[in-house]
Amino acid sequence: DIQMTQSPSTLSASVGDRVTITCRASQSISSWLAWYQQKPGKAPKLLIYKASSLESGVPSRFSGSGSGTEFTLTISSLQAEDVAVYYCQQYYTDPFTFGPGTKVDIK
Amino acid sequence: QVQLVQSGAEVKRPGASVKLSCKASGYTFTTYYMHWVRQAPGQGLEWMGIINPSDGRTNFAQKFQGRVTMTRDTSTSTVYMELSSLRSEDTAVYYCARKSMPVSFDIWGQGTMVTVSS
Repeated sequence: DIQMTQSPSTLSASVGDRVTITCRASQSISSWLAWYQQKPGKAPKLLIYKASSLESGVPSRFSGSGSGTEFTLTISSLQAEDVAVYYCQQYYTDPFTFGPGTKVDIK
Repeated sequence: QVQLVQSGAEVKRPGASVKLSCKASGYTFTTYYMHWVRQAPGQGLEWMGIINPSDGRTNFAQKFQGRVTMTRDTSTSTVYMELSSLRSEDTAVYYCARKSMPVSFDIWGQGTMVTVSS
């Protein structure tokens, strides 16, 4: 199975800050990586697919980059409504494994 | 609009089985694979398996092999996930999610809480 890791596990930043989350795969997954945002009590919401494509309706302050084994999710200017847990997921091959999550809150 | 609506919360005894449903609407049911993902309280997301609504073929995470069954009813655009031999560690919210290439899991159900307790 492909293992996914994320760093940091928690992140505290101020409104307006640029925030970056890193995701690493245990083997190459090309660009078959998605990012999800999950708020308490809600289902995950797709933000980014194919490593860098923004899902329709997602604010442009969210962006993704990377390929192979290393990927990043960037929030260019953190907003209060971005407080959530962020997960990466590889969908190169099953099992479609998720990273352990990064909790983002406001300082 | 495109949506997945899941069945309601369940409480089960250890050793029992649970069968959850996920009803799709707003799109052609047989065109998109459906996945099941679960999340234990305070934990991350765990992929369980996939069903092809077109032909009913399935593939499961090794961890659940032998305990999980996924079926579909094309007449009602509904997929089902049955988990047997329940134990306390199966207490979780279970989600169905549509997979759309190249997008991955673009539509999620609202989740069904399953509590396993004696």
